[in-house]
Amino acid sequence: GQQLNQSPQSMFIQEGEDVSMNCTSSSIFNTWLWYKQDPGEGPVLLIALYKAGELTSNGRLTAQFGITRKDSFLNISASIPSDVGIYFCAGVPNTGNQFYFGTGTSLTVIP
Amino acid sequence: EAGVAQSPRYKIIEKRQSVAFWCNPISGHATLYWYQQILGQGPKLLIQFQNNGVVDDSQLPKDRFSAERLKGVDSTLKIQPAKLEDSAVYLCASAGELYNEQFFGPGTRLTVL
Repeated sequence: GQQLNQSPQSMFIQEGEDVSMNCTSSSIFNTWLWYKQDPGEGPVLLIALYKAGELTSNGRLTAQFGITRKDSFLNISASIPSDVGIYFCAGVPNTGNQFYFGTGTSLTVIP
Repeated sequence: EAGVAQSPRYKIIEKRQSVAFWCNPISGHATLYWYQQILGQGPKLLIQFQNNGVVDDSQLPKDRFSAERLKGVDSTLKIQPAKLEDSAVYLCASAGELYNEQFFGPGTRLTVL
């Protein structure tokens, strides 16, 4: 199956700092999505991207659909303690409708 | 709007036993997905339904896993017999017209001893 590689694998940051993470694939994707998962819960959709180059914001979160269509980026500005969790990218390749998830980035925010 | 409901939330069984999980999607969502999430990994798609038909079950271990969505609404995922490596969280998700925007339930955490 498709491999989506996320980096970094984990991050420890101070409250108020900005955060950047990315997701790369070996294949072209038509859709990129970013989810956040809290312990004991299912992933929650944060941002969906449908066009190469698209830049979309949701509050303090901004995500971009890479121009090559093989990557995507998520930025969180002015982090707060409730940003703690695991962030997953997910995507749909241009061949088929199957949904693939990345390996996840674990974020810890130190107050 | 009520979210995706799943039950039970937790299940502990011994290997070779059978187990079933239930999912009720968001009302009106035609597409339903079952995922397996092993600790420390992202969710992996097991099966996708469109109404009561199977769209994709290529990653479902059919020798032991089965799923149905008989009336096109709620769905059941069964494992029979369970193996140790089936220990994971089983997530159900549903999607409406924007089928790429999937909404997840809280999951069922399965432990196989």
